[in-house]
Amino acid sequence: DTGVSQDPRHKITKRGQNVTFRCDPISEHNRLYWYRQTLGQGPEFLTYFQNEAQLEKSRLLSDRFSAERPKGSFSTLEIQRTEQGDSAMYLCASSVGQGPYGYTFGSGTRLTVV
Amino acid sequence: DQQVKQNSPSLSVQEGRISILNCDYTNSMFDYFLWYKKYPAEGPTFLISISSIKDKNEDGRFTVFLNKSAKHLSLHIVPSQPGDSAVYFCAASAPSGTYKYIFGTGTRLKVLA
Repeated sequence: DTGVSQDPRHKITKRGQNVTFRCDPISEHNRLYWYRQTLGQGPEFLTYFQNEAQLEKSRLLSDRFSAERPKGSFSTLEIQRTEQGDSAMYLCASSVGQGPYGYTFGSGTRLTVV
Repeated sequence: DQQVKQNSPSLSVQEGRISILNCDYTNSMFDYFLWYKKYPAEGPTFLISISSIKDKNEDGRFTVFLNKSAKHLSLHIVPSQPGDSAVYFCAASAPSGTYKYIFGTGTRLKVLA
């Protein structure tokens, strides 16, 4: 199966620690998205890459958050000095082409900040 | 400001009957709409989409209807099956090069055998 892969699936960290998540998109997909989902809410857009270029960031993405996609392949999302409010499911999605088509989501990384 | 609203948090339907999930939006600039299905511990799975130039799109048991004047869309599942039990999200996007989506809060569908 060559779907979107996210690692780790679960992460528990202490407040104030840094965490990094990884996303491996479908290989031919040039678009990559990060979303965040909290309990009882739908996914919320965080950031978007086209190939290696980060083209849009949500205001939800504070300066403690940074995302990269070196060489337009996998992507990482780092959260520095984690806070309890960062506890959420972090979802990565990828798509291909120029149209507004549905993404393929990964299974997500569930972050718990204690 | 919730631009995409799913006002029914849950819905129960008998197997074989029709399931109707509703979604309302406020932004008249939205021009593309999607429905996603989500099982526990999995990411959302794309189900069906519709462009604002259409008012209906069908794919097997799933049909999405769009009423632009009412800013309302609905997903019909006929006939409903127990495997359809999941959380359903509608999502909308406005014209941009990003194709980012605004998601509703979801409706949990339970299909009773």
